[in-house]
Amino acid sequence: SQKIEQNSEALNIQEGKTATLTCNYTNYSPAYLQWYRQDPGRGPVFLLLIRENEKEKRKERLKVTFDTTLKQSLFHITASQPADSATYLCALEAGTALIFGKGTTLSVSS
Amino acid sequence: DVKVTQSSRYLVKRTGEKVFLECVQDMDHENMFWYRQDPGLGLRLIYFSYDVKMKEKGDIPEGYSVSREKKERFSLILESASTNQTSMYLCASSFTPDRTSYNEQFFGPGTRLTVL
Repeated sequence: SQKIEQNSEALNIQEGKTATLTCNYTNYSPAYLQWYRQDPGRGPVFLLLIRENEKEKRKERLKVTFDTTLKQSLFHITASQPADSATYLCALEAGTALIFGKGTTLSVSS
Repeated sequence: DVKVTQSSRYLVKRTGEKVFLECVQDMDHENMFWYRQDPGLGLRLIYFSYDVKMKEKGDIPEGYSVSREKKERFSLILESASTNQTSMYLCASSFTPDRTSYNEQFFGPGTRLTVL
């Protein structure tokens, strides 16, 4: 069955640095992969989608890469701010549904 | 502004009670989903529906059922609540995916259910 892993549960960085979160998957070749942000006590919010034929996608300070050979996606937040502190989830396309990773909780300190 | 609403933010029930969690979306989405989220386990799909009266089991359907009588409403039913069903329940909706459009899911605020 498909398996999706986010490499760390928690990541602590200083304000202004680039945060890099990793998502690895096995036993599957998704047509696309998505990233979501979740704040405590709230539902996830969609951030970015990247397709299998795209290497990189950018949106403001966010950048996502997708390496289908390595079966890995990297999610970068440049010039990070304390307001970026949240849990970030990656999700694989699985037909109509999505398979979510367990998330990485990012803490940005000032 | 697109919206997914859930009937309660917090709910406390007793073991053995029948529990209804309601979800409504105003975006005319075909697909609706129910997840539960637990620390260390992440988001796990319970059931989803791709059309009125249609449903598909997710990864953890045991102990749950669903109902979708109208396109905008998707209900999760715990037939006989148990303490191991204490969790955060999240509803989501999305358009039918195709290769040229996004299939992002829009989530509700969640219902924190405690079963005593």
